[in-house]
Amino acid sequence: AQSVTQLGSHVSVSEGALVLLRCNYSSSVPPYLFWYVQYPNQGLQLLLKYTTGATLVKGINGFEAEFKKSETSFHLTKPSAHMSDAAEYFCAVSVAGANSKLTFGKGITLSVRP
Amino acid sequence: KAGVTQTPRYLIKTRGQQVTLSCSPISGHRSVSWYQQTPGQGLQFLFEYFSETQRNKGNFPGRFSGRQFSNSRSEMNVSTLELGDSALYLCASSSGYEGGNTIYFGEGSWLTVV
Repeated sequence: AQSVTQLGSHVSVSEGALVLLRCNYSSSVPPYLFWYVQYPNQGLQLLLKYTTGATLVKGINGFEAEFKKSETSFHLTKPSAHMSDAAEYFCAVSVAGANSKLTFGKGITLSVRP
Repeated sequence: KAGVTQTPRYLIKTRGQQVTLSCSPISGHRSVSWYQQTPGQGLQFLFEYFSETQRNKGNFPGRFSGRQFSNSRSEMNVSTLELGDSALYLCASSSGYEGGNTIYFGEGSWLTVV
């Protein structure tokens, strides 16, 4: 079985500061990794995903994440936070054979201070 | 191209009743998955349907069921509602074929059980 750990439930940064949201996964087989964002009263929007190949993945809205197999991590970063980035962020994992079954972390709420 | 559409968006039911939620996937997608989101348990996978067959199942009681029609539209049903079933129910669609395929979410159906 797969699992995802997102340490901390809340991160607060100043506008213009670096955003770093941590995600560690557990999987006995090669994982597919995802980051989703959820704005209040909305569904989930895909930010980026890692399947195979290049370990540094670029997504929408200036976000990127790096797959580090040795650290079983897939941390999400953005060089400069914007007020509109305030939302809840979820890291998720799936594996081959259960492609559409995502296992999510608990989520991290990102606040951006002006 | 239209996104994943869920109906109804909001509903209130009484304990003991049953409820049916509907999901129309993105055109061409054959996989539909359902997730339950609650503050306490986070995002949990319910089940996935692909070409009218249940392909994956989460760890939920038999009161939770689903089906998929030949046009890929899906419904999920919850019978004998309990207060703890109050949640946001998210539908997701994908092609369902390749590993790590992008999974798109709808806006969700907010169910309140009183």
